[in-house]
Amino acid sequence: GAVVSQHPSWVICKSGTSVKIECRSLDFQATTMFWYRQFPKQSLMLMATSNEGSKATYEQGVEKDKFLINHASLTLSTLTVTSAHPEDSSFYICSVTPQGQPQHFGDGTRLSIL
Amino acid sequence: AQSVTQLDSHVSVSEGTPVLLRCNYSSSYSPSLFWYVQHPNKGLQLLLKYTSAATLVKGINGFEAEFKKSETSFHLTKPSAHMSDAAEYFCVVSEVGAGKSTFGDGTTLTVKP
Repeated sequence: GAVVSQHPSWVICKSGTSVKIECRSLDFQATTMFWYRQFPKQSLMLMATSNEGSKATYEQGVEKDKFLINHASLTLSTLTVTSAHPEDSSFYICSVTPQGQPQHFGDGTRLSIL
Repeated sequence: AQSVTQLDSHVSVSEGTPVLLRCNYSSSYSPSLFWYVQHPNKGLQLLLKYTSAATLVKGINGFEAEFKKSETSFHLTKPSAHMSDAAEYFCVVSEVGAGKSTFGDGTTLTVKP
């Protein structure tokens, strides 16, 4: 069964809207989760590492004020795209890495900003 | 630091013929290596993984890959392609215990009837 649940799977909204994406670890407690972004016909790029109870660690070039990450519990991390614009349209995927296991990915959220 | 290079951005094969998707990696530590498949507008599905056990790794749907440390390669193969194999394939490297991964640029596999 699924290890990671990501919601919503598809979002279409107007420019300027803020959008929240949830990532849930279903079978275990995750102190760390990862957020990736995939532009059309491109590979996945790590955006940030979400740390339970502390600030997220952002990769170079990712605006932390634009992409707010909250990891308030051991099973939930959220990514909020603030004041989204068309260039933020992308496929966002979260992942967790259970101890001794490979990384498990959510099914992704396709975000389309009109 | 770690990186991964997928040597072919596109591979086209005929149905029933072998598939070879090439991947080279670079890692400062003993890496874990993975192949994932992504069908259009879908998430990622793990095909197989190498985590320092057997160098020849068998995965799902008839795929396998061989870890060659001397060549820093982890090529993906399948003896006979099916139409349903048409998808995007990603080679991924992760340092053991690090959690996060580095993706290759992907290889688009086309299967012709």
